[in-house]
Amino acid sequence: ILNVEQSPQSLHVQEGDSTNFTCSFPSSNFYALHWYRWETAKSPEALFVMTLNGDEKKKGRISATLNTKEGYSYLYIKGSQPEDSATYLCASKRGGTSYGKLTFGQGTILTVHP
Amino acid sequence: EAGVTQFPSHSVIEKGQTVTLRCDPISGHDNLYWYRRVMGKEIKFLLHFVKESKQDESGMPNNRFLAERTGGTYSTLKVQPAELEDSGVYFCASSQDWTGPYEQYFGPGTRLTVT
Repeated sequence: ILNVEQSPQSLHVQEGDSTNFTCSFPSSNFYALHWYRWETAKSPEALFVMTLNGDEKKKGRISATLNTKEGYSYLYIKGSQPEDSATYLCASKRGGTSYGKLTFGQGTILTVHP
Repeated sequence: EAGVTQFPSHSVIEKGQTVTLRCDPISGHDNLYWYRRVMGKEIKFLLHFVKESKQDESGMPNNRFLAERTGGTYSTLKVQPAELEDSGVYFCASSQDWTGPYEQYFGPGTRLTVT
């Protein structure tokens, strides 16, 4: 895989449902994987920065896992609430001369219905 | 602590005109990045400043785009002359460092429409 890919593109769930999305990224020269939550017209909000294979991070009802060998990360939301509705973006950072550059996926648009 | 701010929030210009976008990073952040999201596509990297120096400008689309960061504080991104395909949301981000797994903090973006 050469690009960062996210699936699904969009997701509709009912309040209270748990959900998860996938981010696939190039595993070669991997440095870090970032997750953001973005509501249109607002600043993308940093959720997690993950670097180690097998890493798991949690913030409230949101958690994420990382597999650097196969190049994927999962984001989980437990008990979705309407305020979780947003676009969830992942971005990979690779080593080398472009250390600072983030390469984004297209995002997963989550809509939580009351 | 104030976040990353961008000005203006929206800009509508005609093809051939010039537009200058401004970004104020979080105080103390030496690293400043510009990204762009064209409608329907992913956010794409444009360039990265460390203080006032351009660390990586591999994402700049062409020489109609000029980014500056005089004095290593705020940055401007000028588009001259603007073309229709330049429409999109221009994001600025800043971080403490670039060689570690540091978060990049994003501003709300400037929505540019070229008609």
